[in-house]
Amino acid sequence: DVKVTQSSRYLVKRTGEKVFLECVQDMDHENMFWYRQDPGLGLRLIYFSYDVKMKEKGDIPEGYSVSREKKERFSLILESASTNQTSMYLCASRTPGAGHEQYFGPGTRLTVT
Amino acid sequence: GQNIDQPTEMTATEGAIVQINCTYQTSGFNGLFWYQQHAGEAPTFLSYNVLDGLEEKGRFSSFLSRSKGYSYLLLKELQMKDSASYLCAATTGANNLFFGTGTRLTVIP
Repeated sequence: DVKVTQSSRYLVKRTGEKVFLECVQDMDHENMFWYRQDPGLGLRLIYFSYDVKMKEKGDIPEGYSVSREKKERFSLILESASTNQTSMYLCASRTPGAGHEQYFGPGTRLTVT
Repeated sequence: GQNIDQPTEMTATEGAIVQINCTYQTSGFNGLFWYQQHAGEAPTFLSYNVLDGLEEKGRFSSFLSRSKGYSYLLLKELQMKDSASYLCAATTGANNLFFGTGTRLTVIP
């Protein structure tokens, strides 16, 4: 079974802190994704990565950066957390190709105070 | 641009049939996914349609009409555990999915 894990289920940070969200997948997937999910807005893509060292901006990259140094690990970084970044963050991975599903991690609920 | 619409909420009775509709306008459309997401949990894959027609998988079926930009998810013999959000997502190109805002289904006794 594919397994996507995220470093924390719940996280509380203060405004201005640097925040790291880690995601690890165990199925050797090339593609990895970071989304945020907010009520009424659905899943919105922040960044994605086709392969190691590669990254592309999604729909809402402002205020975020990512790192993909190893194939199994994709990190999301909030350089200076703000209250409007309070959200559920979901990581996903997949094999490239149109018909391949995305496998999601359990999510990290981040609260910025 | 990409636009995906689905109803925000639906309610149905245990044992009944419910149809959740999804319309999409995307450039370079490849196929359409349906995911189920229980409250507080990650989305899980339900179905993928690339050709027109109905795909049946147990109590769940999914339909696609590419010419109309339309899909639906059909749930039969509803059970209380089917209460969840159902996400429609269009795929364009090889790597990205565009999600709708989800339909929250409540199954009542």
